[in-house]
Amino acid sequence: NAGVMQNPRHLVRRRGQEARLRCSPMKGHSHVYWYRQLPEEGLKFMVYLQKENIIDESGMPKERFSAEFPKEGPSILRIQQVVRGDSAAYFCASSPQGQPNYGYTFGSGTRLTVV
Amino acid sequence: AQTVTQSQPEMSVQEAETVTLSCTYDTSESDYYLFWYKQPPSRQMILVIRQEAYKQQNATENRFSVNFQKAAKSFSLKISDSQLGDAAMYFCAYRGYFGNEKLTFGTGTRLTIIP
Repeated sequence: NAGVMQNPRHLVRRRGQEARLRCSPMKGHSHVYWYRQLPEEGLKFMVYLQKENIIDESGMPKERFSAEFPKEGPSILRIQQVVRGDSAAYFCASSPQGQPNYGYTFGSGTRLTVV
Repeated sequence: AQTVTQSQPEMSVQEAETVTLSCTYDTSESDYYLFWYKQPPSRQMILVIRQEAYKQQNATENRFSVNFQKAAKSFSLKISDSQLGDAAMYFCAYRGYFGNEKLTFGTGTRLTIIP
């Protein structure tokens, strides 16, 4: 039973390029969350999605960042025109429907480096 | 909005000794869930223990236990018989009772185990 799969594990982008981070939730989980972790800091919520719906995007920067969770395929976090300040670890997590006591299952994260 | 505070950026403990990590939170809800996550150098987020606010009994998982004080909004983690493998960042997290709300994390405590 595979856990949450994130890829790539490491991603290097030049300033101005686009970054695409992928996340496949754990089997049977219908809720996906994206978090960002800056060096030596905690996890900051970005967005919460269900299939084809964005439920809460209160943590997403207003520009350049977008997320989707299509009916088929993984969830995608997209960062356009990356800047040095976007360098961070991006974590995806998933949880099943109707089980708030479950917490999350996390992926291993994608470390984005902008050069 | 809920907030989670971890006031100890760093802690250290001798191997085989006991250490307690502090966490306080702020909420107006009466029912909720609390979690401790561990993040070792591999960066993988691992669930250590969870507590349902409506349960008076403190949760225990092997060498890990919590001291949940609902009135004081305090949720500390006790690690007994500390082992070298316990060295990690530890994050306290809060989740509301209704729906699949996001987890709100504290800023973390870095635990060092002294051989």
